Amino acid sequence: DVKVTQSSRYLVKRTGEKVFLECVQDMDHENMFWYRQDPGLGLRLIYFSYDVKMKEKGDIPEGYSVSREKKERFSLILESASTNQTSMYLCASSTPGLASYNEQFFGPGTRLTVL
Amino acid sequence: AQRVTQPEKLLSVFKGAPVELKCNYSYSGSPELFWYVQYSRQRLQLLLRHISRESIKGFTADLNKGETSFHLKKPFAQEEDSAMYYCALGGTNAGKSTFGDGTTLTVKP
Repeated sequence: DVKVTQSSRYLVKRTGEKVFLECVQDMDHENMFWYRQDPGLGLRLIYFSYDVKMKEKGDIPEGYSVSREKKERFSLILESASTNQTSMYLCASSTPGLASYNEQFFGPGTRLTVL
Repeated sequence: AQRVTQPEKLLSVFKGAPVELKCNYSYSGSPELFWYVQYSRQRLQLLLRHISRESIKGFTADLNKGETSFHLKKPFAQEEDSAMYYCALGGTNAGKSTFGDGTTLTVKP
């Protein structure tokens, strides 16, 4: 069974803290993604990675960075958390190849609250 | 540039009524379209992909290139269909997709 796991379901941090969100997939997928999910704004891509140590900015990368040292793990880093980063964060993975079948597999999400 | 538009943020129907969730896309290449669903307290998951031309949980979606649409339809809605639905557009081998803003469907008893 396909599995994408995220390190925390709920996280509460203070403004200015450095925050790490971890994502692990066990499907040997090359592609991994980080999204924000906000009511009325849908899913917005923060960063994605198509290989180890490779990353590309998504639509809203400001205030975030990522790390992919191993194929199965993709970390999202908030260098200095701010209240406007309070959100649900979703990690996903997929395999490259025929685009018609590029289903993304999602983790359960991390609800981050920044006070 | 890729763009996906879901014009309805909220949609409410009664059980047994037909339901249609609208999705329009903008893409210069050959579109690859998907519908994802997120039930309450569950993770986002694929519902169906246009290439498969299949019916999942009674839902179907037809790609209309002339109208650049990929509307999701079900003839008789059930309460368990209540969820958030996202339309997504792929189209490259990078595996990246563009998601719409989502439609929250509520099926009332």
